[in-house]
Amino acid sequence: EVQILESGGGLVQPGGSLRLSCAASGFTFTNYAMSWVRQAPGKGLDWVSTVFSGGNTNHADSVRGRFTISRDDSQNMLYLQMSSLRAEDTGVYYCAKATSNSSPFDYWGQGTLVTVSS
Amino acid sequence: EIVLTQSPGTLSLSPGERATLSCRASLSISSSLAWYQQKPGQAPRLLIYDASSRATGIPARFSGSGSGTDFTLTISSLEPEDFAVYYCQQRSNWPLTFGGGTRVESK
Repeated sequence: EVQILESGGGLVQPGGSLRLSCAASGFTFTNYAMSWVRQAPGKGLDWVSTVFSGGNTNHADSVRGRFTISRDDSQNMLYLQMSSLRAEDTGVYYCAKATSNSSPFDYWGQGTLVTVSS
Repeated sequence: EIVLTQSPGTLSLSPGERATLSCRASLSISSSLAWYQQKPGQAPRLLIYDASSRATGIPARFSGSGSGTDFTLTISSLEPEDFAVYYCQQRSNWPLTFGGGTRVESK
């Protein structure tokens, strides 16, 4: 059974940093691209970052230079290092497994809430 | 960036009725479109990928069609558990983008 569990969310001040983690199990983690997708309160879904099998990455323009996605295939872990956080980064951050090289996303975690506020 | 426009914003229907949801892409995306269902407080669930293929475990009342720029998600006969928000998503070009969503509510 595929399981995905995010952690690391919380309240952070504008300009601060936070690191999200995602623990995955039930599939051969190294074979799949993994992504972060966020959802601002009461809003729609917004793709943030993807790390491909092999380690190459891609980020949305809105977070490029501030967020870094990475993976540890030995631990079946996905990470999102977030810095220079802004109020507009507030939302639930989902870790999602891709069916193939990028998307669609066939398994999602329950999300972790990030609140950027003073 | 490819913009996905979903319509209508809200669909008010009764159980047993047919739901037809639209997603229009700003550029041709071939068949690189997926549909998700999201209920309050839950993560999205993949329903349809590659425009018309049902994901594992998805009931046959859900079907997808279209290619190029115009896509449709059809729920043939609404069940009580189908009232939710539905999103389309394209993977033809980076950045990956989602539509703004269609809420299907009970009339």
